[in-house]
Amino acid sequence: AQSVTQLDSHVSVSEGTPVLLRCNYSSSYSPSLFWYVQHPNKGLQLLLKYTSAATLVKGINGFEAEFKKSETSFHLTKPSAHMSDAAEYFCVVSDPNDMRFGAGTRLTVKP
Amino acid sequence: EPEVTQTPSHQVTQMGQEVILRCVPISNHLYFYWYRQILGQKVEFLVSFYNNEISEKSEIFDDQFSVERPDGSNFTLKIRSTKLEDSAMYFCASSVDSRSNQPQHFGDGTRLSIL
Repeated sequence: AQSVTQLDSHVSVSEGTPVLLRCNYSSSYSPSLFWYVQHPNKGLQLLLKYTSAATLVKGINGFEAEFKKSETSFHLTKPSAHMSDAAEYFCVVSDPNDMRFGAGTRLTVKP
Repeated sequence: EPEVTQTPSHQVTQMGQEVILRCVPISNHLYFYWYRQILGQKVEFLVSFYNNEISEKSEIFDDQFSVERPDGSNFTLKIRSTKLEDSAMYFCASSVDSRSNQPQHFGDGTRLSIL
């Protein structure tokens, strides 16, 4: 069995400041991990993925995430938030048998 | 970049009626999925489909639901005798293969409203 926990349901930052969206997972396997973004009335867009290669993964729009096995974490970061980053973000864990979504974190960016 | 497309974007249906949600996966993808997201809740897996048959389904996917690939391009989700609690966003996704390290590509969703 596997699960994913997004520690914050809502994160609010000011434009130009760093973003940190936290994700912890549990899995019986060596999982693959993904971050997806969902803008209002749109589908889920893949931001980045970890698949047991480099532990620091770079994605689109300046986002990156670091896989830390010892902490079972896969936090999403961005050095400087932009207004267009305001959206819902989902951490996803995938193993050969299952794919689980986190509950999501809503990111608000204030001008 | 190729996209998964879903139609309609919004479907309003009377309770008890049947509804068909349509999806066109990315053309070279072989694995297809449906997910549901009730307002304010998690995205939930419904079913995966490969080689013209269901490969996995969740406990949500009961006899009320069925999936079909009627031709070479469309992938449909049918909900019979809809209930109020079926109101949700339904997302279709596709992937090149089923390996867990292959990302699924999602459509924009169909918002289903049951009255």
